[in-house]
Amino acid sequence: DAGVTQSPTHLIKTRGQHVTLRCSPISGHKSVSWYQQVLGQGPQFIFQYYEKEERGRGNFPDRFSARQFPNYSSELNVNALLLGDSALYLCASSSGPSGETQYFGPGTRLLVL
Amino acid sequence: RKEVEQDPGPFNVPEGATVAFNCTYSNSASQSFFWYRQDCRKEPKLLMSVYSSGNEDGRFTAQLNRASQYISLLIRDSKLSDSATYLCVVNGVTGGGNKLTFGTGTQLKVEL
Repeated sequence: DAGVTQSPTHLIKTRGQHVTLRCSPISGHKSVSWYQQVLGQGPQFIFQYYEKEERGRGNFPDRFSARQFPNYSSELNVNALLLGDSALYLCASSSGPSGETQYFGPGTRLLVL
Repeated sequence: RKEVEQDPGPFNVPEGATVAFNCTYSNSASQSFFWYRQDCRKEPKLLMSVYSSGNEDGRFTAQLNRASQYISLLIRDSKLSDSATYLCVVNGVTGGGNKLTFGTGTQLKVEL
C-alpha cells in the first residue's frame, strides 16, 4: 500500500511569489495535517483537516492557507513568500480526527530566494 | 518555556553502548506521547508510543512520568543504524483536533 505522498519534492521560489504544495494521505485516512520544519528544529504544526473541515490551526500568519478535497487529499498554499518560509513542509495523515497515530510523507523542500 | 524540551546533543556513543534521552513537556493536559526517529533529510517516522506503564520494543524502552511531565527513551546495545535524530512528541488533542508538538530533537551518532 502506498504511504503518504507529497508533490513536488523540491521547489525554488523567489520572495513575493505564491506556492501550492500537495498531499495525498494513506488510503482510508481522512485526516491530513501540515507541518513546517526549518533546519535544526522539530516540525511545527500549521493546519489539520478532517473530513474537509479545518480542525486545528497553528501559530502561522494568514499567508498560509489550506484545504482538503472530497478524496481527502490536501493542498497547502503560501502567499507572498518570505525568505523565512524556506523549510521542509511535511504532510501527515491519520485515520481519525484526534489521538490517532500520524504518518508522515517525504515532504516538500521549499527554498525561497 | 518551550512546550517540549529536549537536549539537542549530539550524543556520540560507541557501538554497543546504552544511551538515554530525556524530554519534558509543559502542558499537563497532553493526551498522548511518542518518540519519532528522523534520518538526515528524511521525514519523521514513528519509533514508539509512550505509556505510563512503560513499553519496550526490542532494544528500545520508553517511559512516561505524568506527575513530572517527563518522557524518556532508552536504547540498549546501540547499532550504527541507530544514528539519527530522535524527536520527543506530545499530542495535545485540543479542540477536537490532532496537533503534534515536537521537541527540537536529540541527535545520536553511534560510532565504531
